[in-house]
Amino acid sequence: EDQVTQSPEALRLQEGESSSLNCSYTVSGLRGLFWYRQDPGKGPEFLFTLYSAGEEKEKERLKATLTKKESFLHITAPKPEDSATYLCAVKWGGNEKLTFGTGTRLTIIP
Amino acid sequence: DAGVTQSPTHLIKTRGQQVTLRCSPKSGHDTVSWYQQALGQGPQFIFQYYEEEERQRGNFPDRFSGHQFPNYSSELNVNALLLGDSALYLCASSPERYTDTQYFGPGTRLTVL
Repeated sequence: EDQVTQSPEALRLQEGESSSLNCSYTVSGLRGLFWYRQDPGKGPEFLFTLYSAGEEKEKERLKATLTKKESFLHITAPKPEDSATYLCAVKWGGNEKLTFGTGTRLTIIP
Repeated sequence: DAGVTQSPTHLIKTRGQQVTLRCSPKSGHDTVSWYQQALGQGPQFIFQYYEEEERQRGNFPDRFSGHQFPNYSSELNVNALLLGDSALYLCASSPERYTDTQYFGPGTRLTVL
């Protein structure tokens, strides 16, 4: 079964229109939840690591939050350069690997 | 401070051939992980190397093998290429002391014809 699910698959926003991306997970023994940004044909760029429920991290127009079942990536007043695919990943149990969702493709329209 | 580097950028091979992809980790990092990313999908874990040994392996066949050198750089080898091996191959590095966050390179785009 899917261990990391991201929604929506794609999101189109007008410039300045705030919204949230969701990442839900079903793994046990969460050691960390990670958000990455990926531009087409490029490698993922690290954004945030969250470790425990209630934790929040911010960077420019992005804010990531974590609960016991899901994480949200809030984007405030986005700009066209925020257009990218946003990937969520978890590290859990005794694993060293990251388990990724399929991503949310975000498009900001000028 | 150089980030993770990978070579080559692009590669075209035919079915049945073998390929070697290379990765240099970020300065100060000694752990290297490899991922395969098909179009429209999230990266899938292939394996991780630390202290020149494979520490963990994902659900990939033995055709996928790797190596880590004393300078922490790494190679990914794929034998008997299949059309389905076409993907973006990503290398990620992390410092052993803080292995939770992995930093990715730009990837190698492999096309199998």
